[in-house]
Amino acid sequence: DTGVSQDPRHKITKRGQNVTFRCDPISEHNRLYWYRQTLGQGPEFLTYFQNEAQLEKSRLLSDRFSAERPKGSFSTLEIQRTEQGDSAMYLCASSHTSRTSGGQAYNEQFFGPGTRLTVL
Amino acid sequence: KQEVTQIPAALSVPEGENLVLNCSFTDSAIYNLQWFRQDPGKGLTSLLLIQSSQREQTSGRLNASLDKSSGRSTLYIAASQPGDSATYLCAVDSGAGSYQLTFGKGTKLSVIP
Repeated sequence: DTGVSQDPRHKITKRGQNVTFRCDPISEHNRLYWYRQTLGQGPEFLTYFQNEAQLEKSRLLSDRFSAERPKGSFSTLEIQRTEQGDSAMYLCASSHTSRTSGGQAYNEQFFGPGTRLTVL
Repeated sequence: KQEVTQIPAALSVPEGENLVLNCSFTDSAIYNLQWFRQDPGKGLTSLLLIQSSQREQTSGRLNASLDKSSGRSTLYIAASQPGDSATYLCAVDSGAGSYQLTFGKGTKLSVIP
């Protein structure tokens, strides 16, 4: 279990440019999530995949944002025409349904190290 | 809409003290609650997950409790150490087919040697 990985760890770009981030989840996890975190705030949900299907999108995910998970493994998050307000830490998480010894289901999310985006 | 609040926003304690971090949520219909640790500029490390049917969960010096009816959870840290210094985040999974976590803003803990 190598954990969730994200690439790049840091990205500096100029306003108006497009950027793409990658997330590799824990190998057996079928669910993958993207969150955004700004300074002094908790992470905010952006979108969620179950296998390759994008099942939920937040209102925060404007039409400049697009996420894919083409084969149900890694995922990419693209931001087009970046704005200074997009500067944040972008966090990826993954999970699958686990069960306790008593058979109760639970869903624990594991996070990657994040990609810090700075838009100049 | 679920809202999560964490009090206090910051806490400073001398090494060796026991301490409690608080988390409250507005909608008691939750699937589970997770406590995370975040070091500056880093990702989140999952500490404990409490299922909605559980009252508490323990891992080493950490103990998390859950009172769904009052919309509260606490994270108890025993015998604090300087290495515990970090921001602690509480997050709620409200279930109903949506697995998104709703986070509080966190409590920044400083343990003074």
